[in-house]
Amino acid sequence: SAVISQKPSRDICQRGTSLTIQCQVDSQVTMMFWYRQQPGQSLTLIATANQGSEATYESGFVIDKFPISRPNLTFSTLTVSNMSPEDSSIYLCSVAFGGRPNTEAFFGQGTRLTVV
Amino acid sequence: GESVGLHLPTLSVQEGDNSIINCAYSNSASDYFIWYKQESGKGPQFIIDIRSNMDKRQGQRVTVLLNKTVKHLSLQIAATQPGDSAVYFCAENIRGSTLGRLYFGRGTQLTVWP
Repeated sequence: SAVISQKPSRDICQRGTSLTIQCQVDSQVTMMFWYRQQPGQSLTLIATANQGSEATYESGFVIDKFPISRPNLTFSTLTVSNMSPEDSSIYLCSVAFGGRPNTEAFFGQGTRLTVV
Repeated sequence: GESVGLHLPTLSVQEGDNSIINCAYSNSASDYFIWYKQESGKGPQFIIDIRSNMDKRQGQRVTVLLNKTVKHLSLQIAATQPGDSAVYFCAENIRGSTLGRLYFGRGTQLTVWP
């Protein structure tokens, strides 16, 4: 398994501003992902954070709105840009280890974002 | 995303009873499935997984059953305890997709009462 730390754990932000969420893992991981969980909903994959290259975004998510960095094998950031109240969600970092027959993914505790 | 859905949004059981949570999926290319437990204010916690070449897998007090014919997945929890109260999600990975890239079902709220 892996210990995944997200910062901040929660924040209240003004609309029109941006927030950068950090994800730190205690060991090197092959894959890192970012998910969004809207209130009372399931998890939706935003993007795969690729080390040293641009993230791979899922349908409905774009780099201008959710820029992602992954400078190394243990760290990634997700920025929520030009926020609106509709961006109020829990944002979760997930990691997976490659080279295993069954690649379970582990999650951080999430960042609870409220946009006012 | 892919279509992974759950039959029941809520499930209430008495402590000590067995719980069964169901999940349907639509993509025949899905070849790996995971069940997660999410407690309030926490991230999803891995419970058990199963590959598409298996029909059944058992863990401690939990069993996952996979029926590929009808694209159905279930999680059975034996002797349910109050600590099992949480939202349970099934998630799938598509064959050939990036490992760990998951699509989640809607979730079932399990409530265990004494």
